[in-house]
Amino acid sequence: DGGITQSPKYLFRKEGQNVTLSCEQNLNHDAMYWYRQDPGQGLRLIYYSQIVNDFQKGDIAEGYSVSREKKESFPLTVTSAQKNPTAFYLCASSRSGQGEYGYTFGSGTRLTVV
Amino acid sequence: AQKITQTQPGMFVQEKEAVTLDCTYDTSDPSYGLFWYKQPSSGEMIFLIYQGSYDQQNATEGRYSLNFQKARKSANLVISASQLGDSAMYFCAMREKGYTGANSKLTFGKGITLSVRP
Repeated sequence: DGGITQSPKYLFRKEGQNVTLSCEQNLNHDAMYWYRQDPGQGLRLIYYSQIVNDFQKGDIAEGYSVSREKKESFPLTVTSAQKNPTAFYLCASSRSGQGEYGYTFGSGTRLTVV
Repeated sequence: AQKITQTQPGMFVQEKEAVTLDCTYDTSDPSYGLFWYKQPSSGEMIFLIYQGSYDQQNATEGRYSLNFQKARKSANLVISASQLGDSAMYFCAMREKGYTGANSKLTFGKGITLSVRP
């Protein structure tokens, strides 16, 4: 079945460490997105990519980095510059363009700083 | 200014009754789409329903319907015959068409928590 796979489900990071969250999709979607969700809050856009080898900053990109070397993959690195990384991270993909194409989401990664 | 506003505090509904979750939006783009997602405690985001700005009729999907009032810029979700499994957080989102594709990403509201009482 087609879908989006995020791994790991839970991740613990030590202070000053970089960690990478994986996101893979087999839906043949062009666009991919990373969102951050804090407890009781909505989703805030970190980065998005509408095509391979191209990506744009979202609303809260500071302290994060991404790459899009393959259509299927859009990994997110949480760097040591991100001072408050504890949150729930959701990856999504969609068909390119506008209109009625909503997102398909992964099941999320819960990152905790220890 | 917020593009998507969901201001209701936690909502409660009795099982088998209907409930309306409010959403207002702000856009100057004549072409846009409105979405509702459900997020249970497991964290996954589940797509519920879509309404296009040019759609003449309100969208319906099973027990979900969207009360779309374009002039008022509101897109309220109506859940009929509530079930215990409907207890979750619900997000309204908008996708503007834009002209370059730069605005084609979804913007989400802060969400509403719904609790269904047996």
